[in-house]
Amino acid sequence: GENVEQHPSTLSVQEGDSAVIKCTYSDSASNYFPWYKQELGKRPQLIIDIRSNVGEKKDQRIAVTLNKTAKHFSLHITETQPEDSAVYFCAAPRPNFGNEKLTFGTGTRLTIIP
Amino acid sequence: DTGVSQDPRHKITKRGQNVTFRCDPISEHNRLYWYRQTLGQGPEFLTYFQNEAQLEKSRLLSDRFSAERPKGSFSTLEIQRTEQGDSAMYLCASSFSGSTAGELFFGEGSRLTVL
Repeated sequence: GENVEQHPSTLSVQEGDSAVIKCTYSDSASNYFPWYKQELGKRPQLIIDIRSNVGEKKDQRIAVTLNKTAKHFSLHITETQPEDSAVYFCAAPRPNFGNEKLTFGTGTRLTIIP
Repeated sequence: DTGVSQDPRHKITKRGQNVTFRCDPISEHNRLYWYRQTLGQGPEFLTYFQNEAQLEKSRLLSDRFSAERPKGSFSTLEIQRTEQGDSAMYLCASSFSGSTAGELFFGEGSRLTVL
C-alpha cells in the first residue's frame, strides 16, 4: 500500500507571509497527488492536485510542486489570508489507480495570525 | 444544495447498539466511498462502490461493519454491536469514474459517539 507522511502538524504564519506544507509518499508508481482543505466542522474540499507528468501547478495563491525522484510533494500558499486557516491534508492513491483509494496524510493545522 | 448529503449528522449511542448512516451522493456520480476520520487524523479509507458493486473493503472494516448501495444511488453504512473505538466521523464521498480530475466530493460527515 501507500504510506503518506505530512509535516508539519501545526503551522502558524503572519498574515501576508507564505506557508509551505510537505508530504512524502512511499510508492514511486503513484501518479496523482491531491490536497484537501478542511475548515473547522466542515467537509474536506479539494483545493489543488497534480499529476506525475508535471512538476508544478499553480492556481492563484496556491501552488503544488512534485519531486518524483525524492517522492515528495509540497503545498505552497502565498500572501496568506485569515480564511486560509484550516487543516490541510495531502493524499496519494494506490499505484496505478486513480482516486479509488486515497491514503491521506495526518494533516497540518494552519493558523494565520492577523 | 446538490452536494453529497449524509444523515444523521450526529449520533450518540450506547455500546452494543447498532447504528446506520445514510449517504446520498451527487446524482451523476457512479462512485461512492466511505472514510472514517478520528480527531487529529486524516480520513481513512473504509470501502468504495462503483454503481451498486462494492469493489473494495479495507481491513479496517471489521465484520461488524457492512455497507450497501442497493440501487447504485444512496448508500448505507451499518455498524453492529458498537464499541467505544468506533467513535469517529464517518465521511461519505462520491466521484465520477469518467472524470480525469479525480476529485472526491465529501459530505459533511456523520459523527458517531459511543458511550
